[in-house]
Amino acid sequence: GQNIDQPTEMTATEGAIVQINCTYQTSGFNGLFWYQQHAGEAPTFLSYNVLDGLEEKGRFSSFLSRSKGYSYLLLKELQMKDSASYLCAVRVSGGSYIPTFGRGTSLIVHP
Amino acid sequence: NAGVTQTPKFRVLKTGQSMTLLCAQDMNHEYMYWYRQDPGMGLRLIHYSVGEGTTAKGEVPDGYNVSRLKKQNFLLGLESAAPSQTSVYFCASSQIWGAGGKNIQYFGAGTRLSVL
Repeated sequence: GQNIDQPTEMTATEGAIVQINCTYQTSGFNGLFWYQQHAGEAPTFLSYNVLDGLEEKGRFSSFLSRSKGYSYLLLKELQMKDSASYLCAVRVSGGSYIPTFGRGTSLIVHP
Repeated sequence: NAGVTQTPKFRVLKTGQSMTLLCAQDMNHEYMYWYRQDPGMGLRLIHYSVGEGTTAKGEVPDGYNVSRLKKQNFLLGLESAAPSQTSVYFCASSQIWGAGGKNIQYFGAGTRLSVL
């Protein structure tokens, strides 16, 4: 099985930078996803990492270290609209490419 | 382009009643999924399908059945609803592309089900 850990809740100030961590224990790692989910809405794709390093996309960046079983999502220049849950999902090799989701991190951005 | 559409959006059932949730996607995706989301539990996979006519069990399949008779549709059935099935249900679809199989999932808006 897979064990995926994320902090339950984080708070940050508008304009600041926040880092949301995700650690995982799995065999046959084959990719990690981050999704954003606003309250009452569907999750939407943010980023995908399969190799070590940093992937940058505008204000959002995602980092992966396969040897440490660790990823983080970095949000810069926080805006109120970034208040949402952030879901980490890990995929293992073989089988049918079905990622397993962590429990998500609820981010609250305040003025 | 509608993406992934779920019906109904809301439903209240009595214990023991049955119902079917419909998911339709217009992206010609091979893979489709049904998840449930409960407070503090994240998204848990109920059943999934890797192509028309195929289905497979996920993490929490008990009490649910599925069918994928057409590529664009994935149905989730509750034969005898129980209060423990009160949840938000999300359907998703994906296509594997690229050498690494990026497999981005596209989600529907969800169905909020209460079982009394």
